[in-house]
Amino acid sequence: SQTIHQWPATLVQPVGSPLSLECTVEGTSNPNLYWYRQAAGRGLQLLFYSVGIGQISSEVPQNLSASRPQDRQFILSSKKLLLSDSGFYLCAWSVGRVNSGANVLTFGAGSRLTVL
Amino acid sequence: EDKVVQSPLSLVVHEGDTVTLNCSYEVTNFRSLLWYKQEKKAPTFLFMLTSSGIEKKSGRLSSILDKKELFSILNITATQTGDSAVYLCAVGNSGNTPLVFGKGTRLSVIA
Repeated sequence: SQTIHQWPATLVQPVGSPLSLECTVEGTSNPNLYWYRQAAGRGLQLLFYSVGIGQISSEVPQNLSASRPQDRQFILSSKKLLLSDSGFYLCAWSVGRVNSGANVLTFGAGSRLTVL
Repeated sequence: EDKVVQSPLSLVVHEGDTVTLNCSYEVTNFRSLLWYKQEKKAPTFLFMLTSSGIEKKSGRLSSILDKKELFSILNITATQTGDSAVYLCAVGNSGNTPLVFGKGTRLSVIA
């Protein structure tokens, strides 16, 4: 069966510090991978998605970047965090085409980031 | 730009009540609408709806889609405290872009 792991679960970082959140998927090959951010009262905002190694699509220009160094690994990074980067970050995966109409996303447990 | 609007944003009910959550959408080349339940961490999948008028049911939860009026409802009957969660609605299109989510409805069920 497929599983998705996301870490760290909780992170408190000072403004200006770097960030690295990691997500890995097991039990499937060539998944589509996604990073969403959930701010209080604002629903899920898609940040990045990837259909393959080294392929990253950015949905919202901001202080973050994503990388996919291996088939089942997706990393969210920042060189210098801002206060506005605080939030709950969710990694998700799906199979098949990114054509979202047919795919059900499966989410990781999330990483809560607080920037002080 | 694709858009999903959920209402109400929050709701407090007593155990045993029946609730209806609403999701309206504007999307180019609609293909599907999905409902998720988010208790504390990962949203979990509830239903995927693609055809109008066909009810999807799982226990006390049911959902239906109206593609003409561009909305869906999620019904929960005989609510329990374990139903307390944020319920998320998302839509997918036939293009090459991922799901678009609404802001969610926070449901609180009190004993």
